[in-house]
Amino acid sequence: GAGVSQTPSNKVTEKGKYVELRCDPISGHTALYWYRQSLGQGPEFLIYFQGTGAADDSGLPNDRFFAVRPEGSVSTLKIQRTERGDSAVYLCASSRTTGVNTGELFFGEGSRLTVL
Amino acid sequence: SQELEQSPQSLIVQEGKNLTINCTSSKTLYGLYWYKQKYGEGLIFLMMLQKGGEEKSHEKITAKLDEKKQQSSLHITASQPSHAGIYLCGADARGSNYKLTFGKGTLLTVNP
Repeated sequence: GAGVSQTPSNKVTEKGKYVELRCDPISGHTALYWYRQSLGQGPEFLIYFQGTGAADDSGLPNDRFFAVRPEGSVSTLKIQRTERGDSAVYLCASSRTTGVNTGELFFGEGSRLTVL
Repeated sequence: SQELEQSPQSLIVQEGKNLTINCTSSKTLYGLYWYKQKYGEGLIFLMMLQKGGEEKSHEKITAKLDEKKQQSSLHITASQPSHAGIYLCGADARGSNYKLTFGKGTLLTVNP
């Protein structure tokens, strides 16, 4: 597709379960970003990939959160032992080059996670 | 850490009216970005401002950066129902050209 694709669009899970969220960026975009948006808040940075490596994971809230991008394209955000506070919309974005200040980020529609 | 405060939090206007949304940063602005978000959709890039006094336009939307005030304003002329949505400002921190801090957003409703 032409844009950033995220799956699933909606995920309902029970507390304590494991969740994977997938992001398929725009073809050729080397940079990939994960953000989290809670209700009534702006998006919060989680992690940034440049190619296959996580260049900055300082926004991940704790060690239950982990993300990979093994081939430099598709990325998966993994959440272990989910808690109710993890409920949010998880947004993925990609860009052509390394920095946001060289141009726009292209966002996906997000994966809405609800932890019961 | 940098914080961005947007005002107003929400705004209801009649179609055809002009409006302004403000974004104030707690720290020096090096790059200021405006995005629009509709419910259930991702963020759509509107424009990026990098220099003090810079002003950019996208259709009927104009944004300006006041470096000294650490503030940006977004102005919509002759609003239309299609302008409705959440407007988010974002800023990148010096030395971090990949990480954006966002404000909480301004919810705009345009009544026909």
